[in-house]
Amino acid sequence: TQLLEQSPQFLSIQEGENLTVYCNSSSVFSSLQWYRQEPGEGPVLLVTVVTGGEVKKLKRLTFQFGDARKDSSLHITAAQPGDTGLYLCADGGSNYKLTFGKGTLLTVNP
Amino acid sequence: DAGITQSPRHKVTETGTPVTLRCHQTENHRYMYWYRQDPGHGLRLIHYSYGVKDTDKGEVSDGYSVSRSKTEDFLLTLESATSSQTSVYFCAIAGTNNEQFFGPGTRLTVL
Repeated sequence: TQLLEQSPQFLSIQEGENLTVYCNSSSVFSSLQWYRQEPGEGPVLLVTVVTGGEVKKLKRLTFQFGDARKDSSLHITAAQPGDTGLYLCADGGSNYKLTFGKGTLLTVNP
Repeated sequence: DAGITQSPRHKVTETGTPVTLRCHQTENHRYMYWYRQDPGHGLRLIHYSYGVKDTDKGEVSDGYSVSRSKTEDFLLTLESATSSQTSVYFCAIAGTNNEQFFGPGTRLTVL
């Protein structure tokens, strides 16, 4: 059974700071998806990475996929209060089933 | 907007009563899912469906059943609710690249 570990579990920072959160797997990812979940809402897909070493940018968010496809990171530059939420990684798996990590709960204070 | 709605959005019920949650999609997607989300456990798959009348169990299926008689509707039933089933329930559909789109969630409290 694949295990996804996300770290840190909780992160509280001030507006304008940079941060990085991590997602590590006990086995090779089929593909890696990152979601953000705001309070009281369902998760929303941010990005999918497939190729080892891949880097994708989404405004102030930078996603990296490890060369061995067993780890990924999400870096946020100049965090804003609107970035507050639960960041989840998920393995694409097979048969259209995803395996989710437990998430990193980010709070950005004004 | 993936066109997913869930009903009810909030429900309080008593132990031992049956509860049915509804997920409705307007996108004609084949795959639909039910998850529960609890502190410390993340999102856990309860059941999923890969077509009308085609369903399968997820990792936490005990105490839950599902039905899909139409492409657009996926129902989750708790035959006899227990306090351990107090949770937030999310429905999701799968896109063409295996990405998932989630509904707004149902907060269920079992007293």
